[in-house]
Amino acid sequence: DAGVIQSPRHEVTEMGQEVTLRCKPISGHNSLFWYRQTMMRGLELLIYFNNNVPIDDSGMPEDRFSAKMPNASFSTLKIQPSEPRDSAVYFCASSLIAGGRETQYFGPGTRLLVL
Amino acid sequence: QKEVEQDPGPLSVPEGAIVSLNCTYSNSAFQYFMWYRQYSRKGPELLMYTYSSGNKEDGRFTAQVDKSSKYISLFIRDSQPSDSATYLCAMSEGGSEKLVFGKGMKLTVNP
Repeated sequence: DAGVIQSPRHEVTEMGQEVTLRCKPISGHNSLFWYRQTMMRGLELLIYFNNNVPIDDSGMPEDRFSAKMPNASFSTLKIQPSEPRDSAVYFCASSLIAGGRETQYFGPGTRLLVL
Repeated sequence: QKEVEQDPGPLSVPEGAIVSLNCTYSNSAFQYFMWYRQYSRKGPELLMYTYSSGNKEDGRFTAQVDKSSKYISLFIRDSQPSDSATYLCAMSEGGSEKLVFGKGMKLTVNP
């Protein structure tokens, strides 16, 4: 199994530019999570999907952030326009919800730097 | 007050030491308690999973949950340099997929 795949692994952009982060969950998993990790705030849940439907987006910081999951094998997190305070490591995780213990498997992350 | 508090350290110990990592929480609805390990420049990976109060042991690792005190611990026996990583506690309410993480404790085990 290839695990959760994220791209790009690193992104450097200038303030005001649009940034799109991509995630391919583990095949067969039915839940997908987007997290942001910073030194100041730690690992925070931004949004999660179950069966491609957004369930909870209460962690999305503001309207500049949007996420989509058009099918079971692909999700995007978009920031438009980007700001320096968005600099962080963004993780995607997936899990299989099967009525019991569910483990979230994390991708390697995308390191975003907004100048 | 954050829902989950974790001393960010860092913590440095000699090889073979016993390591104790702790988290406190304020939400009494948390029922599932986890410890994730994150190596440098990698994503977190699940290390231990505990439901409700009690102890769970897996090799050199022991997880403890004390719901009455809202306190969880991870003990590492005979620590190894390969244990050097950031350890994050995480919790969720019953029936919820949302995990709330501590900020993580960076551990270094010196040979």
